[in-house]
Amino acid sequence: QVQLQESGPGLLKPSQTLSLTCTVSGGSIISGGYFWSWIRQRPGTGLQWMGYIYYSGSAYYNPSLKSRLTISVDTSKNQFSLKLASVTAADTAVYYCARYSGGTCWFDPWGQGTLVTVSS
Amino acid sequence: QSALTQPPSASGSPGQSVTISCTGTSSDVGGYNYVSWYQQYPGKAPKLVIYEVTKRPSGVPGRFSGSKSGNTASLTVSGLQADDEADYYCSSYGGSDNFEVFGGGTKLTVL
Repeated sequence: QVQLQESGPGLLKPSQTLSLTCTVSGGSIISGGYFWSWIRQRPGTGLQWMGYIYYSGSAYYNPSLKSRLTISVDTSKNQFSLKLASVTAADTAVYYCARYSGGTCWFDPWGQGTLVTVSS
Repeated sequence: QSALTQPPSASGSPGQSVTISCTGTSSDVGGYNYVSWYQQYPGKAPKLVIYEVTKRPSGVPGRFSGSKSGNTASLTVSGLQADDEADYYCSSYGGSDNFEVFGGGTKLTVL
């Protein structure tokens, strides 16, 4: 079955750019109908959808993050990535990648999540 | 502030039923039959338990059911068991402006 795994640095300083990669295994990222998503969870709070991308490269972003967020896909590596610019302490969160069904709008499966802390 | 409103907590005794609400607007919950629910244990990733308002993925017990009326969706857990104690989040498609929106989560306690 499809599995997702996040990777990237766990500690950043304010104003730096957060870069994370999600590696998809057990299935192809070139799967019709699925988008590849990033979702975050700030400490003690709920989930926030950040954005998703189709294998063709078409990306869609949360309006509140759109100015700082870039999501890209590398089909040759079966990976997709997130870049969030100009981070602050408010970007401290667990970041999850997940597969999103475009036709029926659900997220499954999810990666295990990776904690990113922004601190000077 | 989350786009969808959930009660912060809910509780019930083993064997009882509990219902968790998720209130949005006509631009999300009320406008589409694309509400999903996720179960999250502490320190773990969320797991899909309901999609398209009422459908259960393979492997999810029949004790989990979903419904919707107007701008409010609901998740009902029947025959509560100890391992149902978790956080539950709703999500809805929000159209081409907001795409996907989540609720703030509800902590379900089995007494």
